[in-house]
Amino acid sequence: GENVEQHPSTLSVQEGDSAVIKCTYSDSASNYFPWYKQELGKRPQLIIDIRSNVGEKKDQRIAVTLNKTAKHFSLHITETQPEDSAVYFCAASRDSSASKIIFGSGTRLSIRP
Amino acid sequence: GAVVSQHPSWVICKSGTSVKIECRSLDFQATTMFWYRQFPKQSLMLMATSNEGSKATYEQGVEKDKFLINHASLTLSTLTVTSAHPEDSSFYICSARETSGRGDEQFFGPGTRLTVL
Repeated sequence: GENVEQHPSTLSVQEGDSAVIKCTYSDSASNYFPWYKQELGKRPQLIIDIRSNVGEKKDQRIAVTLNKTAKHFSLHITETQPEDSAVYFCAASRDSSASKIIFGSGTRLSIRP
Repeated sequence: GAVVSQHPSWVICKSGTSVKIECRSLDFQATTMFWYRQFPKQSLMLMATSNEGSKATYEQGVEKDKFLINHASLTLSTLTVTSAHPEDSSFYICSARETSGRGDEQFFGPGTRLTVL
């Protein structure tokens, strides 16, 4: 079945440095790749997404890249701040309202002051 | 963005009882809703896809007779945990992708924390 792998499981970076989280997916028909930030006890919040017709997307300090050939996609956070500390999930899906979204295992990001 | 609500936000029940969780899309219609379960420090695991007017599609390993899903309208899906046991204690989250096709974004409910004593 569909699978999304995510690495690393934990990541600690110095405030101001960059953080990179990487994911791979198995379903070659996937064409929608969202990234979520989840704080303890809260629902996941969409922070950025990318579709397969685009190789890179950026929103302020957050960027996502997609290599559809290799089935890899990555999240890049620059100039990290304490409020970036959270659990981040990548996900993959086909592009329709009825398609399920499969989550990666999550990365716990800690920003050291 | 669209809003999805869940009720209750938390529930404590005795082992052997049943618990119903409601998921509502407040400002859009959702032909399809999704139910996830999240154990502490783990990812969201898809349990089932809820389809309005038809049977839910369950993921492998999820007992359909234990986790009853009803999607009776375009704005409401319910998950009933039958004969709950302590191992069913978890954070249950529903989501919906907007039927109109405006986008692919999935909107999550706030979650329901179930504790079975």
